[in-house]
Amino acid sequence: DAKTTQPPSMDCAEGRAANLPCNHSTISGNEYVYWYRQIHSQGPQYIIHGLKNNETNEMASLIITEDRKSSTLILPHATLRDTAVYYCIVRPTYSSASKIIFGSGTRLSIRP
Amino acid sequence: DSGVTQTPKHLITATGQRVTLRCSPRSGDLSVYWYQQSLDQGLQFLIQYYNGEERAKGNILERFSAQQFPDLHSELNLSSLELGDSALYFCASSVDLQVANYGYTFGSGTRLTVV
Repeated sequence: DAKTTQPPSMDCAEGRAANLPCNHSTISGNEYVYWYRQIHSQGPQYIIHGLKNNETNEMASLIITEDRKSSTLILPHATLRDTAVYYCIVRPTYSSASKIIFGSGTRLSIRP
Repeated sequence: DSGVTQTPKHLITATGQRVTLRCSPRSGDLSVYWYQQSLDQGLQFLIQYYNGEERAKGNILERFSAQQFPDLHSELNLSSLELGDSALYFCASSVDLQVANYGYTFGSGTRLTVV
């Protein structure tokens, strides 16, 4: 699985957009970008994923650069409940070795 | 409720003992994955089962073993416990071996404390 690089921590004011970057310069053509988050000691939660097009769902938006070497997760109106560790992962959707390997993630703090 | 059920939620045991953690996957999911998360550490992949068969192994100690039963629930057995085994143990499930687009669904974890 391709390696990702994320800043160890970020903070954002409540109500503002939180933009979490991720570098994945060695991503392969068949690898998707997935984002998960883990709120303190809870099980990780799927947020969004994409291949090359920008994606949006009820939780967030995912912007993937044209060369696919980096992406940004956007939480449009951050709330205190968005305080969590956010993990960016790249992997093939279909793979015989389907385990997800988590990196260190970005610890996002939302300030009131 | 994610649909993945882990029991017990908390477990306190002594060094040298053996414990069993249980996971019931989301209805319809055939794959089960186990992860270990020590205090302030990342999620370490341990092992994966698909429809009763072991499919992938990660950094799982020889003292640890797992299995998946015909009803698809899985158990993680930890033996000869050491203080360093204290951690959160998460189970995740997915539809099949080829992870569906939404990836995994995680349970709420079992917090193991070895004293």
